[in-house]
Amino acid sequence: GAVVSQHPSRVICKSGTSVKIECRSLDFQATTMFWYRQFPKQSLMLMATSNEGSKATYEQGVEKDKFLINHASLTLSTLTVTSAHPEDSSFYICSAPRGLAYNEQFFGPGTRLTVL
Amino acid sequence: AQSVTQLDSQVPVFEEAPVELRCNYSSSVSVYLFWYVQYPNQGLQLLLKYLSGSTLVKGINGFEAEFNKSQTSFHLRKPSVHISDTAEYFCAVSYGGATNKLIFGTGTLLAVQP
Repeated sequence: GAVVSQHPSRVICKSGTSVKIECRSLDFQATTMFWYRQFPKQSLMLMATSNEGSKATYEQGVEKDKFLINHASLTLSTLTVTSAHPEDSSFYICSAPRGLAYNEQFFGPGTRLTVL
Repeated sequence: AQSVTQLDSQVPVFEEAPVELRCNYSSSVSVYLFWYVQYPNQGLQLLLKYLSGSTLVKGINGFEAEFNKSQTSFHLRKPSVHISDTAEYFCAVSYGGATNKLIFGTGTLLAVQP
């Protein structure tokens, strides 16, 4: 089946630094990828839609200057959390759609970000 | 606004007992429905999906779900659970279209006890 990877799986950083998270589709091309954020014991909240070759589409309330998304190729999207603060600590998950009419999404294993 | 409701935040059940996890969604002309399972500190794994056709959908690990358009529900069932089924279960809906976004419910923790 389709595989989506994320790197790193876990990252701890100091407040004020920037952190980059990679999302890769390993055996298929993805012109679109999605970035989600999940707080402990809560559901996944869609942050933005990453579009290959064009700007990302952000959901309402998500700061685009805070969460920079770059979809540089058909298999790679990156999320950079800029000037991270403790409130940015969360579980970040990406997904890529595939299949007939792109109705099925394949999820990465997630990245646990802890900002001290 | 489009939404997905999972009324039960936690469902405790004994091993080998049947279980049903409830999911309701806001109505729409066309809808695609999914159930995902998440184990601690992991991503999501697809259990099953309804895109069209038969309203009874069978998935992995012995789970099944039934699409009920009149009740706008997509409840997940398993006739006999195992300890290993303990996890968080998310119902999700896609209303199709070019953006193909998934809207998730708040999740239900299935806690299987021996």
